[in-house]
Amino acid sequence: NAGVTQTPKFRILKIGQSMTLQCTQDMNHNYMYWYRQDPGMGLKLIYYSVGAGITDKGEVPNGYNVSRSTTEDFPLRLELAAPSQTSVYFCASSSDGATNEKLFFGSGTQLSVL
Amino acid sequence: RKEVEQDPGPFNVPEGATVAFNCTYSNSASQSFFWYRQDCRKEPKLLMSVYSSGNEDGRFTAQLNRASQYISLLIRDSKLSDSATYLCVAPNTGNQFYFGTGTSLTVIP
Repeated sequence: NAGVTQTPKFRILKIGQSMTLQCTQDMNHNYMYWYRQDPGMGLKLIYYSVGAGITDKGEVPNGYNVSRSTTEDFPLRLELAAPSQTSVYFCASSSDGATNEKLFFGSGTQLSVL
Repeated sequence: RKEVEQDPGPFNVPEGATVAFNCTYSNSASQSFFWYRQDCRKEPKLLMSVYSSGNEDGRFTAQLNRASQYISLLIRDSKLSDSATYLCVAPNTGNQFYFGTGTSLTVIP
């Protein structure tokens, strides 16, 4: 059972480049989330989705875009990479949202923007 | 005010010690809470859920105080393997999980 799969694990970008972080889950979860974690900090919510075709902004959405065309996939797009986007990115999913269900996390993507 | 606040530590304790972490939350409507463990910037993993007044699992006890809006995590008989960062999580009513900044624990031989 794969759970939540993120790719790539590591990436170095130059300022102004774009890239897509991939996230897929095989648990048929409706809810999916993208978080970033800066050194010594907790996780900050970037975007989330409550189902296919529905996305919403979290705490720190600026500089990012998402889409949710299928239940399984929730890619995160960086259009013009900036040094402030250097972080570890985690994708997560849950079955019934934040009320009483735990989050299942992917293994993370370490992104450096130079 | 932040949604979730934790004492970042670090907590350095000897093996066998008992250590407690506290976490305060701002949304009084939150119904359930979680403690996650994170090792060396790896993905967080669920340690315990707290739905009512408290929950116990072996050496770990989580307690919830709704009146004061805080949850705590108690670790008894600390092991070297307990060294990690512990994240407090409080959901809001809008399908968002809010994470604290984490409390760092190092158990010393």
